[in-house]
Amino acid sequence: GNSVTQMEGPVTLSEEAFLTINCTYTATGYPSLFWYVQYPGEGLQLLLKATKADDKGSNKGFEATYRKETTSFHLEKGSVQVSDSAVYFCALRIRGSQGNLIFGKGTKLSVKP
Amino acid sequence: EAQVTQNPRYLITVTGKKLTVTCSQNMNHEYMSWYRQDPGLGLRQIYYSMNVEVTDKGDVPEGYKVSRKEKRNFPLILESPSPNQTSLYFCASSDRVGTYEQYFGPGTRLTVT
Repeated sequence: GNSVTQMEGPVTLSEEAFLTINCTYTATGYPSLFWYVQYPGEGLQLLLKATKADDKGSNKGFEATYRKETTSFHLEKGSVQVSDSAVYFCALRIRGSQGNLIFGKGTKLSVKP
Repeated sequence: EAQVTQNPRYLITVTGKKLTVTCSQNMNHEYMSWYRQDPGLGLRQIYYSMNVEVTDKGDVPEGYKVSRKEKRNFPLILESPSPNQTSLYFCASSDRVGTYEQYFGPGTRLTVT
Protein backbone atom coordinates (compact mmCIF):
# COMPACT_ATOMS: atom_id res chain seq x y z
CA GLY A 1 0.00 0.00 0.00
CA ASN A 2 0.88 3.68 0.03
CA SER A 3 2.36 5.21 3.15
CA VAL A 4 4.56 7.98 4.52
CA THR A 5 7.03 7.62 7.36
CA GLN A 6 8.61 10.62 8.99
CA MET A 7 10.93 10.97 11.91
CA GLU A 8 9.43 10.99 15.35
CA GLY A 9 9.47 14.20 17.26
CA PRO A 10 9.59 16.39 19.06
CA VAL A 11 12.64 18.09 17.65
CA THR A 12 14.12 20.92 19.69
CA LEU A 13 16.71 23.24 18.17
CA SER A 14 18.37 26.51 19.00
CA GLU A 15 17.79 29.49 16.75
CA GLU A 16 20.03 29.47 13.64
CA ALA A 17 20.61 25.72 13.84
CA PHE A 18 20.35 23.47 10.79
CA LEU A 19 17.14 21.49 10.44
CA THR A 20 16.53 18.13 8.82
CA ILE A 21 13.25 16.25 9.10
CA ASN A 22 13.39 12.88 7.42
CA CYS A 23 10.54 11.59 5.27
CA THR A 24 10.39 8.35 3.30
CA TYR A 25 7.51 6.96 1.35
CA THR A 26 6.09 3.78 -0.12
CA ALA A 27 3.97 4.19 -3.21
CA THR A 28 2.42 1.78 -5.67
CA GLY A 29 2.19 4.49 -8.30
CA TYR A 30 4.08 7.64 -9.15
CA PRO A 31 3.51 10.16 -6.37
CA SER A 32 3.61 13.90 -5.96
CA LEU A 33 5.20 14.85 -2.64
CA PHE A 34 4.34 17.63 -0.23
CA TRP A 35 5.36 19.22 3.02
CA TYR A 36 2.62 20.90 5.03
CA VAL A 37 3.15 23.03 8.13
CA GLN A 38 0.73 23.53 11.01
CA TYR A 39 1.37 26.52 13.25
CA PRO A 40 -0.13 26.42 16.76
CA GLY A 41 -3.91 26.72 16.70
CA GLU A 42 -4.14 26.80 12.91
CA GLY A 43 -4.94 24.52 10.00
CA LEU A 44 -2.35 23.03 7.68
CA GLN A 45 -0.67 25.14 5.02
CA LEU A 46 1.25 23.88 2.03
CA LEU A 47 4.94 24.62 2.56
CA LEU A 48 6.45 23.12 -0.59
CA LYS A 49 5.90 20.42 -3.17
CA ALA A 50 7.63 18.34 -5.85
CA THR A 51 5.95 16.43 -8.62
CA LYS A 52 8.72 14.34 -10.19
CA ALA A 53 12.05 12.76 -9.40
CA ASP A 54 14.93 15.19 -8.71
CA ASP A 55 12.55 18.14 -8.40
CA LYS A 56 13.44 20.47 -5.55
CA GLY A 57 10.63 22.23 -3.75
CA SER A 58 11.50 25.37 -1.81
CA ASN A 59 9.72 28.05 0.19
CA LYS A 60 10.55 30.36 3.12
CA GLY A 61 14.10 29.01 3.28
CA PHE A 62 12.93 25.38 3.45
CA GLU A 63 13.93 22.87 0.78
CA ALA A 64 13.20 19.26 -0.06
CA THR A 65 14.37 17.16 -3.00
CA TYR A 66 12.34 14.32 -4.47
CA ARG A 67 14.69 11.30 -4.43
CA LYS A 68 13.15 8.39 -6.26
CA GLU A 69 16.13 6.08 -5.71
CA THR A 70 15.85 6.37 -1.93
CA THR A 71 12.09 7.09 -1.89
CA SER A 72 12.74 10.12 0.28
CA PHE A 73 11.71 13.76 0.56
CA HIS A 74 13.66 15.16 3.51
CA LEU A 75 12.90 18.68 4.68
CA GLU A 76 15.86 20.99 5.35
CA LYS A 77 16.47 24.55 6.44
CA GLY A 78 19.86 26.08 6.95
CA SER A 79 19.02 28.41 9.83
CA VAL A 80 15.79 28.02 11.78
CA GLN A 81 13.98 30.80 13.58
CA VAL A 82 11.70 30.78 16.59
CA SER A 83 8.82 31.49 14.19
CA ASP A 84 9.44 28.13 12.49
CA SER A 85 8.14 26.33 15.58
CA ALA A 86 5.28 24.22 14.26
CA VAL A 87 4.27 20.68 13.31
CA TYR A 88 5.49 19.53 9.91
CA PHE A 89 3.70 16.89 7.86
CA CYS A 90 5.06 15.01 4.88
CA ALA A 91 2.40 13.79 2.44
CA LEU A 92 1.99 12.12 -0.92
CA ARG A 93 -0.62 11.88 -3.62
CA ILE A 94 -0.60 9.18 -6.24
CA ARG A 95 -1.03 10.49 -9.77
CA GLY A 96 -4.28 9.40 -11.25
CA SER A 97 -5.81 9.01 -7.81
CA GLN A 98 -8.73 11.12 -6.75
CA GLY A 99 -6.74 13.80 -5.02
CA ASN A 100 -6.49 12.03 -1.69
CA LEU A 101 -3.44 12.89 0.37
CA ILE A 102 -1.66 10.35 2.53
CA PHE A 103 0.02 11.99 5.51
CA GLY A 104 2.85 11.06 7.80
CA LYS A 105 2.24 11.39 11.52
CA GLY A 106 3.84 14.79 11.80
CA THR A 107 7.00 16.09 13.48
CA LYS A 108 6.80 18.81 16.07
CA LEU A 109 9.60 21.35 15.89
CA SER A 110 10.40 23.72 18.73
CA VAL A 111 13.01 26.42 18.20
CA LYS A 112 14.47 28.09 21.27
CA PRO A 113 15.94 31.60 21.21
CA GLU B 1 -9.86 36.17 0.35
CA ALA B 2 -9.65 32.52 -0.64
CA GLN B 3 -10.46 30.41 2.36
CA VAL B 4 -12.04 27.37 3.92
CA THR B 5 -14.20 28.09 6.94
CA GLN B 6 -15.43 25.71 9.60
CA ASN B 7 -17.98 26.13 12.35
CA PRO B 8 -17.96 25.78 15.21
CA ARG B 9 -14.27 26.06 16.11
CA TYR B 10 -14.83 24.45 19.49
CA LEU B 11 -17.60 22.13 20.62
CA ILE B 12 -18.23 20.16 23.79
CA THR B 13 -21.14 17.76 23.64
CA VAL B 14 -22.47 14.62 25.27
CA THR B 15 -22.64 11.08 23.99
CA GLY B 16 -25.47 10.48 21.57
CA LYS B 17 -26.42 14.08 20.82
CA LYS B 18 -26.40 14.61 17.07
CA LEU B 19 -24.17 17.36 15.79
CA THR B 20 -23.07 18.92 12.51
CA VAL B 21 -19.80 20.64 11.74
CA THR B 22 -20.09 22.93 8.74
CA CYS B 23 -17.43 23.51 6.11
CA SER B 24 -17.54 26.06 3.33
CA GLN B 25 -15.03 27.11 0.67
CA ASN B 26 -15.09 30.11 -1.65
CA MET B 27 -12.63 28.90 -4.29
CA ASN B 28 -15.08 26.96 -6.46
CA HIS B 29 -13.17 23.76 -5.72
CA GLU B 30 -14.63 20.46 -6.81
CA TYR B 31 -12.79 18.30 -4.28
CA MET B 32 -13.49 18.51 -0.55
CA SER B 33 -12.42 16.29 2.30
CA TRP B 34 -12.68 15.78 6.05
CA TYR B 35 -9.81 14.66 8.27
CA ARG B 36 -9.38 13.98 11.93
CA GLN B 37 -6.12 14.62 13.72
CA ASP B 38 -5.15 12.63 16.79
CA PRO B 39 -1.87 12.62 18.74
CA GLY B 40 0.55 10.07 17.38
CA LEU B 41 -1.72 9.21 14.46
CA GLY B 42 -1.38 12.26 12.23
CA LEU B 43 -4.23 13.10 9.88
CA ARG B 44 -6.64 10.43 8.78
CA GLN B 45 -9.23 10.94 6.09
CA ILE B 46 -12.87 10.45 7.06
CA TYR B 47 -14.79 11.18 3.86
CA TYR B 48 -14.18 12.99 0.64
CA SER B 49 -16.21 14.36 -2.24
CA MET B 50 -15.17 14.70 -5.85
CA ASN B 51 -18.11 16.95 -6.74
CA VAL B 52 -21.72 17.73 -5.91
CA GLU B 53 -23.66 14.60 -4.91
CA VAL B 54 -20.48 12.48 -5.13
CA THR B 55 -19.03 11.33 -1.81
CA ASP B 56 -16.86 8.41 -0.76
CA LYS B 57 -15.38 6.89 2.36
CA GLY B 58 -11.88 7.59 3.49
CA ASP B 59 -9.85 5.57 5.96
CA VAL B 60 -11.97 6.11 9.09
CA PRO B 61 -15.62 6.70 8.06
CA GLU B 62 -17.38 4.79 10.86
CA GLY B 63 -19.69 6.97 12.91
CA TYR B 64 -19.71 9.85 10.42
CA LYS B 65 -21.90 11.03 7.57
CA VAL B 66 -21.42 13.73 4.97
CA SER B 67 -23.43 15.38 2.24
CA ARG B 68 -22.55 17.52 -0.76
CA LYS B 69 -25.65 19.28 -1.99
CA GLU B 70 -23.81 22.41 -3.05
CA LYS B 71 -20.32 22.81 -4.40
CA ARG B 72 -19.16 25.16 -1.66
CA ASN B 73 -20.44 23.25 1.38
CA PHE B 74 -19.47 19.89 2.82
CA PRO B 75 -20.93 19.35 6.32
CA LEU B 76 -19.75 16.56 8.61
CA ILE B 77 -22.52 14.89 10.60
CA LEU B 78 -22.12 12.81 13.75
CA GLU B 79 -25.49 11.12 14.28
CA SER B 80 -24.63 9.66 17.68
CA PRO B 81 -21.26 10.94 18.88
CA SER B 82 -19.14 8.81 21.18
CA PRO B 83 -16.10 9.70 23.30
CA ASN B 84 -13.74 8.07 20.78
CA GLN B 85 -14.75 10.78 18.32
CA THR B 86 -13.13 13.40 20.51
CA SER B 87 -10.61 14.87 18.12
CA LEU B 88 -9.48 17.83 16.05
CA TYR B 89 -11.28 17.93 12.70
CA PHE B 90 -10.13 19.61 9.52
CA CYS B 91 -11.95 20.30 6.31
CA ALA B 92 -9.97 20.78 3.11
CA SER B 93 -10.66 21.58 -0.51
CA SER B 94 -8.73 21.53 -3.76
CA ASP B 95 -9.11 21.98 -7.45
CA ARG B 96 -8.83 18.86 -9.55
CA VAL B 97 -6.02 20.04 -11.77
CA GLY B 98 -2.27 20.23 -11.38
CA THR B 99 -0.94 19.00 -8.08
CA TYR B 100 -4.32 19.11 -6.32
CA GLU B 101 -2.96 21.44 -3.64
CA GLN B 102 -5.29 21.20 -0.67
CA TYR B 103 -6.41 24.23 1.35
CA PHE B 104 -7.32 23.55 4.95
CA GLY B 105 -9.80 25.10 7.30
CA PRO B 106 -8.75 26.27 10.79
CA GLY B 107 -10.02 23.15 12.52
CA THR B 108 -12.82 22.20 14.90
CA ARG B 109 -11.93 20.90 18.35
CA LEU B 110 -14.64 18.42 19.39
CA THR B 111 -14.96 16.92 22.85
CA VAL B 112 -17.57 14.22 23.48
CA THR B 113 -18.20 13.41 27.14
